Amino acid sequence: NAGVTQTPKFQVLKTGQSMTLQCAQDMNHEYMSWYRQDPGMGLRLIHYSVGAGITDQGEVPNGYNVSRSTTEDFPLRLLSAAPSQTSVYFCASSYSDGAPLHFGNGTRLTVT
Amino acid sequence: ELKVEQNPLFLSMQEGKNYTIYCNYSTTSDRLYWYRQDPGKSLESLFVLLSNGAVKQEGRLMASLDTKARLSTLHITAAVHDLSATYFCAVDGGGSGGSNYKLTFGKGTLLTVNP
Repeated sequence: NAGVTQTPKFQVLKTGQSMTLQCAQDMNHEYMSWYRQDPGMGLRLIHYSVGAGITDQGEVPNGYNVSRSTTEDFPLRLLSAAPSQTSVYFCASSYSDGAPLHFGNGTRLTVT
Repeated sequence: ELKVEQNPLFLSMQEGKNYTIYCNYSTTSDRLYWYRQDPGKSLESLFVLLSNGAVKQEGRLMASLDTKARLSTLHITAAVHDLSATYFCAVDGGGSGGSNYKLTFGKGTLLTVNP
């Protein structure tokens, strides 16, 4: 099993550009989520999904969109990149409410 | 708003010593998780604590949960260099849409174990 796969691993954007961070899992997990990790801040929840067609906002959703058309995929869209969105982004999934998260390897994004 | 505080944020210890990392949280929850992150790597799950009084042990690490005190501890026994990493606690504070899965993470404890 590949687990949780994130692409790309690294990305550099210019301010105002848009892009999509991809996340796919092959474990048939219902729960998926996106976090950003900044130095000294821990991980902060951006958006999460409890199943296909259902998404909700986390702690820091502004500037990001998500959709969940299939169980496997949960892409994160940056609408108009800003330097404040420079961060490491982690996608995670879980098979049930209360189960631990399985994390992807992260995407390191730099916005100049 | 759920707040999760870890202390210490930085911990330098000698091999063979014992120490405890504390995780306090601000609202009622009976679900707490511990994760480990090596530098430049992803996070891996260490412990899942789902009830008051839960205690889990794996090797030199032991985690416990006191939901009444809103406190979890991660105890390190006879530390070895391989335990050097950042440790995060995360608390399930609830969510909307019929699910209560929504984690709030502490800022992490950077543990360095010196020979």
